[in-house]
Amino acid sequence: GAVVSQHPSWVICKSGTSVKIECRSLDFQATTMFWYRQFPKQSLMLMATSNEGSKATYEQGVEKDKFLINHASLTLSTLTVTSAHPEDSSFYICSARGGRESSYNSPLHFGNGTRLTVT
Amino acid sequence: QKEVEQNSGPLSVPEGAIASLNCTYSDRVSQSFFWYRQYSGKSPELIMSIYSNGDKEDGRFTAQLNKASQYVSLLIRDSQPSDSATYLCAVRRSNSGGSNYKLTFGKGTLLTVNP
Repeated sequence: GAVVSQHPSWVICKSGTSVKIECRSLDFQATTMFWYRQFPKQSLMLMATSNEGSKATYEQGVEKDKFLINHASLTLSTLTVTSAHPEDSSFYICSARGGRESSYNSPLHFGNGTRLTVT
Repeated sequence: QKEVEQNSGPLSVPEGAIASLNCTYSDRVSQSFFWYRQYSGKSPELIMSIYSNGDKEDGRFTAQLNKASQYVSLLIRDSQPSDSATYLCAVRRSNSGGSNYKLTFGKGTLLTVNP
C-alpha cells in the first residue's frame, strides 16, 4: 500500500529558530500533499495544501510567511516553521493522496507525524 | 454548528462487546466518509471508508452511512483491548477533486476496551 514517510519524528528547538519537516511519498507520486496540525486532545486541523510545482494553498488563519511549504517534486513536500515560538509546539502531520488507488474517493495516507517542542 | 461532530467520550466497553461510535456532519453535499484510528502520540490510520448509504463491513468493523440524516457510524464487534484508541470521523466536503480534496475531521471519540 501507499506509504508516507515523515521526518523527523520529533524535534526540540529554541524559540526564534526555524525547523524543517520533510514528507515523502515512498511508493507513489503525490501531486498533492496536505499538512495538518494537532494540539493535545484536539482534532486534526488542516494548515495548507501543498501542490507540486505551484504555490501552497493555506487555510484561513494560517500564516504563509511563518509556515513555508515547498513541494518541489512529486515525492517530497517540506514544511518549515520559521521563527518558532512555544505556541507553535504541536504535532504536525503530513498526508498525501495518490498511488494506484488514486481516485475521486481515495483516502489520505498519513505520515507518522512530527512532534515539535519549542522551548 | 461544527462541521463534523463526535462525542468525545470516553466510551468504555468490556472486552468482547460491541462498541458504537457516532458522527454527524453539517454539509449535505459531503461525498466521502472515513473512519481513522489514532493511538496516543501516533498519526491516524485508516480503518474504513464509506461513500453510499447503508452498511459496509470489513472484518470486525461495520460503517453505516445515512446521508438523509447526515449521520455516519462505526461499529466494532468483539472489541479488544488493542482497539483502545481515539477514533476520528473524517468527511470530504467539497465536490471537487485535485488540490481541493480536503478532509474535515471531528475531534474524535476516545474508546477504552476493558479486559
